[in-house]
Amino acid sequence: SYELTQSPSVSVSPGQTSIIDCSGHKLGDKYVSWFQQRPGQSPVLVIYQDNKRPLGIPERFSGSNSGNTATLTISGTQATDEADYYCQSWDSRLAFFGGGTKLTVL
Amino acid sequence: QITLKESGPTLVGPRQTLTLTCNVSGFSLSTSGMGVAWIRQPPGKALEWLALIYWNDDKRYSPSLEKRLTITKDTPKNQVVLRMTDMGPVDTGKYFCAHNVVGAGGGWFDPWGPGYLVTVSP
Repeated sequence: SYELTQSPSVSVSPGQTSIIDCSGHKLGDKYVSWFQQRPGQSPVLVIYQDNKRPLGIPERFSGSNSGNTATLTISGTQATDEADYYCQSWDSRLAFFGGGTKLTVL
Repeated sequence: QITLKESGPTLVGPRQTLTLTCNVSGFSLSTSGMGVAWIRQPPGKALEWLALIYWNDDKRYSPSLEKRLTITKDTPKNQVVLRMTDMGPVDTGKYFCAHNVVGAGGGWFDPWGPGYLVTVSP
């Protein structure tokens, strides 16, 4: 099966840029989605097809994907962005999730 | 507006079969390019994709759980049902269903249901 690897945690100060990575074999050849999950809530799609934002997602969320690494970038991180973030991709039409990254806004 | 809601038993005994239902609204399960997935999350742990059924009844399963899973849909009832056999304590967690928009490379999951907590215990 296909594996996606994320760092367990990232910490940033308010207003700074948060960078959350997701790595997988030839991940740049696949499409990646990113989900935000606040405590006790359902995941919310924040990026799909590597770099597209769904309606209602702030412009400070952006994504990129190349080589073996996909990246979620949050510019001007706010306290409300504190959450778990999961990457997700596909391999042979099967879905796989990363292990999640806990974003702490100090 | 697309919404999904999970339902089923909150407590399942070891070695029993779990049956969960996802009630959907705002789209038809027969609409081309649509699908519904099941995803679970053990307490304090990561998301794990389980299964996906498409508008044309094509089905996909997690390789690690395929032998235990069955996904079906009832289009007139707007329901997607997941069956998981031989339940054990490690299967305790919140089970989500999610709308899948089929796109290049597989598509994306949006939105998700609120989730349904299932506990496996004698």
